[in-house]
Amino acid sequence: SYVLTQPPSVSVAPGQTARITCAGDNIGSKTVHWYQKKPGQAPVLVVYDDSDRPSGIPERFSGSNSGNTATLTISRVEAGDEADYFCQVWDRTSDPYVLFGGGTKMTAL
Amino acid sequence: QLQLQESGPGLVKPSETLSLTCTVSGGSISSGDYYWGWIRQPPGKGLEWIGSIYFSGTTFYNPSLASRVIISVDTSKSQFSLKVKSLTAADTAVYHCVRERNTVTSENWFDAWGQGTQVIVSS
Repeated sequence: SYVLTQPPSVSVAPGQTARITCAGDNIGSKTVHWYQKKPGQAPVLVVYDDSDRPSGIPERFSGSNSGNTATLTISRVEAGDEADYFCQVWDRTSDPYVLFGGGTKMTAL
Repeated sequence: QLQLQESGPGLVKPSETLSLTCTVSGGSISSGDYYWGWIRQPPGKGLEWIGSIYFSGTTFYNPSLASRVIISVDTSKSQFSLKVKSLTAADTAVYHCVRERNTVTSENWFDAWGQGTQVIVSS
């Protein structure tokens, strides 16, 4: 089945830019969504359809998707952005067809 | 504002059946724009999609769980439910109910999540 690979962790200094990747075979042909999960809280959708932001999500969060890698970019990282981030795709040829990446813990140093 | 609230037992015994309910408020469960589903996260692991249901009753399940899972909907109560039978320790997880945006491309996303309920499978 289709596999999404994320780095286990990413660390960045506050004010800098964090880039969290999600790798998959020809993932650029699929649509990628991103979720933020903080301990004890419900996950929050931060990017959908590769690069769209739900209302209420800061412009600092952006997404891109091309080739074999999708990327969630968090600009001007704040301490409050510390969380686990998960990518997600649908792949009707896969089993199951809703797939999540393993998650990346983003730490603001 | 839409709210999803899970309810159900926190501790269940191996081989028994887990029953969880999600109550939807602040939005219509009968909207054709959405599916409703369940996603779980075992301790120390990532997210796993369990399945989704449309207000009409159409369901989609994770094939790895399909033989043990039933999702149902009660539009009159604005609730949908999850049953998982033949539980093992591997079913220990935080279970989230979710709203899934129905799109023309079917590459849906989950735009609202319940807080989650911890389920422990243990004797």
